[in-house]
Amino acid sequence: AQSVTQLGSHVSVSEGALVLLRCNYSSSVPPYLFWYVQYPNQGLQLLLKYTSAATLVKGINGFEAEFKKSETSFHLTKPSAHMSDAAEYFCAATAGNTPLVFGKGTRLSVIA
Amino acid sequence: EPEVTQTPSHQVTQMGQEVILRCVPISNHLYFYWYRQILGQKVEFLVSFYNNEISEKSEIFDDQFSVERPDGSNFTLKIRSTKLEDSAMYFCASSEQEETQYFGPGTRLLVL
Repeated sequence: AQSVTQLGSHVSVSEGALVLLRCNYSSSVPPYLFWYVQYPNQGLQLLLKYTSAATLVKGINGFEAEFKKSETSFHLTKPSAHMSDAAEYFCAATAGNTPLVFGKGTRLSVIA
Repeated sequence: EPEVTQTPSHQVTQMGQEVILRCVPISNHLYFYWYRQILGQKVEFLVSFYNNEISEKSEIFDDQFSVERPDGSNFTLKIRSTKLEDSAMYFCASSEQEETQYFGPGTRLLVL
């Protein structure tokens, strides 16, 4: 069965600092991988996705993620954090014909 | 840009009452999903729907839940007799192909 692990339920960075949110997946078959962002009292917005094309995926708002099969990882990064990036971030996976399996989420705080 | 919409945004109900949560998926999408997120917990899959029938359901989706696509645009989730533990944010999602799901803003259900 598929599983997704997000290390760190809460990450705090200073404005302008690097953002790194970690995600590892467990699957016998390389899955499709996603990052969603949830702003307070809002729904889930697709940030970026990996669907077996380029391993470095660029998303909205300056975020990117790299699929590393050898490490079963799909970490999310952004070179310079902005106050507006403060939100909950969810990593999710699917084999393509199965429902999304979500990680527990990482809450990102950005300190001025 | 097309988006998934959900109504109502908030619903308060008494335990034992029936609720219907409504979703309008993106118009050319063929796959529909319901997920829920209990406060402070991860997003969990409930049910997927394709070609006018349930394609997969989780163990959460018991006999008190049902889904329907009553017309060409709406997709509903009915909870027949609500329990306190049904209080959660319910998300509808749709996808054109099987892997990339787009989420609505959610309905926050509170059962008293």
